[in-house]
Amino acid sequence: KQEVTQIPAALSVPEGENLVLNCSFTDSAIYNLQWFRQDPGKGLTSLLLIQSSQREQTSGRLNASLDKSSGRSTLYIAASQPGDSATYLCAVRDRNTDKLIFGTGTRLQVFP
Amino acid sequence: DTAVSQTPKYLVTQMGNDKSIKCEQNLGHDTMYWYKQDSKKFLKIMFSYNNKELIINETVPNRFSPKSPDKAHLNLHINSLELGDSAVYFCASSQEFPNYGYTFGSGTRLTVV
Repeated sequence: KQEVTQIPAALSVPEGENLVLNCSFTDSAIYNLQWFRQDPGKGLTSLLLIQSSQREQTSGRLNASLDKSSGRSTLYIAASQPGDSATYLCAVRDRNTDKLIFGTGTRLQVFP
Repeated sequence: DTAVSQTPKYLVTQMGNDKSIKCEQNLGHDTMYWYKQDSKKFLKIMFSYNNKELIINETVPNRFSPKSPDKAHLNLHINSLELGDSAVYFCASSQEFPNYGYTFGSGTRLTVV
């Protein structure tokens, strides 16, 4: 059964720092991995989608990598800003069940 | 705007009532989903429909009944609401082709009192 874990659970950093959020999954049989952002009381905004055949995707200050064989993905945020404060969720589209399975999330706070 | 939209955004109701949450997507996607986010913010799939056909039905009480009148709509009806049903319910859609990502609605916060 696919399980997705994210560490750290919470992170508080000063503005300007580069930071890395980690996601691991137990079964490498995935179609893709998607990173989302959730602001308090809001919905999920898709940030990056990485296909299983890809190694990384970039969007602005965000870069996500995928190592399918080791069951890991990282989300790199460059030059963090207070507006980046949110919960970041990773999710894998599991090949065996075709379900999108979520991690536990990392709650990020960037302070000025 | 192309999006997944759900109504209502907030729903407060008493135990024992029956309520519905509506979802519509104008993205032309084939598959729609309902997810539940519990108090610990963990998201878990409840149902998925592909072209009006039920594909995934997780271990959800049968008080929850999804209805898909067409592939652009997936509504969730909940009978005899219980305190434990309080959560945020998210609708999502995707193409059936597995290389597509999911698009989520903004959520419905259900509070049962």
